[in-house]
Amino acid sequence: DVKVTQSSRYLVKRTGEKVFLECVQDMDHENMFWYRQDPGLGLRLIYFSYDVKMKEKGDIPEGYSVSREKKERFSLILESASTNQTSMYLCASDRGNSYEQYFGPGTRLTVT
Amino acid sequence: AQSVSQHNHHVILSEAASLELGCNYSYGGTVNLFWYVQYPGQHLQLLLKYFSGDPLVKGIKGFEAEFIKSKFSFNLRKPSVQWSDTAEYFCAVTSNTGNQFYFGTGTSLTVIP
Repeated sequence: DVKVTQSSRYLVKRTGEKVFLECVQDMDHENMFWYRQDPGLGLRLIYFSYDVKMKEKGDIPEGYSVSREKKERFSLILESASTNQTSMYLCASDRGNSYEQYFGPGTRLTVT
Repeated sequence: AQSVSQHNHHVILSEAASLELGCNYSYGGTVNLFWYVQYPGQHLQLLLKYFSGDPLVKGIKGFEAEFIKSKFSFNLRKPSVQWSDTAEYFCAVTSNTGNQFYFGTGTSLTVIP
């Protein structure tokens, strides 16, 4: 079974802090994704990566950056957290060619 | 850019009622289509998928979906829902040459015992 794990289930941070969300997959997948999930808005893509050290902006990249130094690990960075970044963050991976995505359990981030 | 519309935002049904959730997408080329489900407190998981072939796709837990190319639709159906089907359902589409998935805004289903 594919496993996608995320470093925290719940996180509370203060405005202005730098926040790191970590995601690890164990199936040697090429592609990794970060989404945020908000009620009524569904899943919105922040960034994705199709290879180590490669990244592409998604639909809402502002205020975020990513890092992929190893194939199995994809990090999302909030450079200076703001209250409007309070959300559920989901990591996903897939093996490319539009095959199904596998999701992690999510990190519920609250910025106060 | 592609987009996915789920017109039903919140659906409430009694047990044993039939379910149909709408999904429409905008993309003129060849697509792969998915329905994902998120049970309360759990992670998103795949319910069913369509890549090619028979447009009627069967998934887990008695769900099925029909791809109607002329209508750009991929509606999800279940003949008789159970309380345990209470969840949020997301439709997703990707082109068969692309990497990016496009998700709908989701439909929250509540099944009343």
